[in-house]
Amino acid sequence: KAGVTQTPRYLIKTRGQQVTLSCSPISGHRSVSWYQQTPGQGLQFLFEYFSETQRNKGNFPGRFSGRQFSNSRSEMNVSTLELGDSALYLCASSSMPRDQPQHFGDGTRLSIL
Amino acid sequence: TQLLEQSPQFLSIQEGENLTVYCNSSSVFSSLQWYRQEPGEGPVLLVTVVTGGEVKKLKRLTFQFGDARKDSSLHITAAQPGDTGLYLCAGSLSGGSYIPTFGRGTSLIVHP
Repeated sequence: KAGVTQTPRYLIKTRGQQVTLSCSPISGHRSVSWYQQTPGQGLQFLFEYFSETQRNKGNFPGRFSGRQFSNSRSEMNVSTLELGDSALYLCASSSMPRDQPQHFGDGTRLSIL
Repeated sequence: TQLLEQSPQFLSIQEGENLTVYCNSSSVFSSLQWYRQEPGEGPVLLVTVVTGGEVKKLKRLTFQFGDARKDSSLHITAAQPGDTGLYLCAGSLSGGSYIPTFGRGTSLIVHP
């Protein structure tokens, strides 16, 4: 069974640009949640999508947004990038919403110059 | 302020030693999870504890959920180099909105 796939694995951007990250959940999983991981703050919850609807949202500014498609694949977008957005972005998939994250992808490492 | 405080932050031990990692909070959690994360990879779920006072064993790893569901511990017996990694506890608050909360992690290095 294929795991959670995140693309790209690495990304370098400059301040002010925008970026889109992609996550394909485990087949049959309809819930996708996104997290930001930094050395200073650890893992922080961004948002969760289920059946193409955002179900829960963490405490991040509106520059962070996401969406989910009918095949459960999800994308996360960050606009007007700031240096502090440099982080490992992880997505996790679960069968149902509000399930604790069961399966994580290996993340996208985003570096802002 | 972190809702979940993990200690110690770093741990460097020799193969064969025992260790305990703690995850504490002043809030009640409906459940707690423990993950291990290796460099360049995402966290891997080790266990979920749900009932206050619950103890779960996974080979050499023993997980305990506090009676009041505010704290948890992970004990590793006879650590091996393969146990090296970042150990994270996580949970969502009881009765609150669903916002998964993670501790900052305990970085464990087991030397051969």
